[in-house]
Amino acid sequence: AQKITQTQPGMFVQEKEAVTLDCTYDTSDPSYGLFWYKQPSSGEMIFLIYQGSYDQQNATEGRYSLNFQKARKSANLVISASQLGDSAMYFCAMRDPNTGFQKLVFGTGTRLLVSP
Amino acid sequence: EAGVAQSPRYKIIEKRQSVAFWCNPISGHATLYWYQQILGQGPKLLIQFQNNGVVDDSQLPKDRFSAERLKGVDSTLKIQPAKLEDSAVYLCASSLAWVNTEAFFGQGTRLTVV
Repeated sequence: AQKITQTQPGMFVQEKEAVTLDCTYDTSDPSYGLFWYKQPSSGEMIFLIYQGSYDQQNATEGRYSLNFQKARKSANLVISASQLGDSAMYFCAMRDPNTGFQKLVFGTGTRLLVSP
Repeated sequence: EAGVAQSPRYKIIEKRQSVAFWCNPISGHATLYWYQQILGQGPKLLIQFQNNGVVDDSQLPKDRFSAERLKGVDSTLKIQPAKLEDSAVYLCASSLAWVNTEAFFGQGTRLTVV
């Protein structure tokens, strides 16, 4: 069963605008962790932001924020004031509590292109 | 703090040959992961170590892939014999623990099997 779903293969945004990248997840366990990673063309995976299932507030890290809607099982990434350097693949990931040692599983990714 | 080191960065081999990748995680990180990322897809976990023990290798093609993490520090992933469909980027990652902590990734090894 697909644990992490990213339905947007690609997104376009103009520089300085905000963009939301969608992520839904599937788990029946009340305790889990959600992550977003950025993968530029160089290939490395860069950690952006983390949200714990028991966290009362939505996570924020600079221009990144996570719109966490627990009842809908969604954890959308919001990038404010987009920059050209934000063009990359973005992956949503979850520590799957239903697996031993909380396997870290990834979605299929969304390619973001920021235009001038 | 040094990041996750991987080598080589690139490797081209012929099918049926063998290849090995090396990973040195961040110092003190108990959990180490090997992921396979085929072009256009998200990373797929091949194997997860906790210290020097395997805790998940359910998606590792064990007839041709093997991995070890001697002394609970660095790790090697081997493919023998390689197939065309093994062409991918192999990512190594490590985390301090396996509970709700982020994983840090190396730059990956891009393998091309011809």
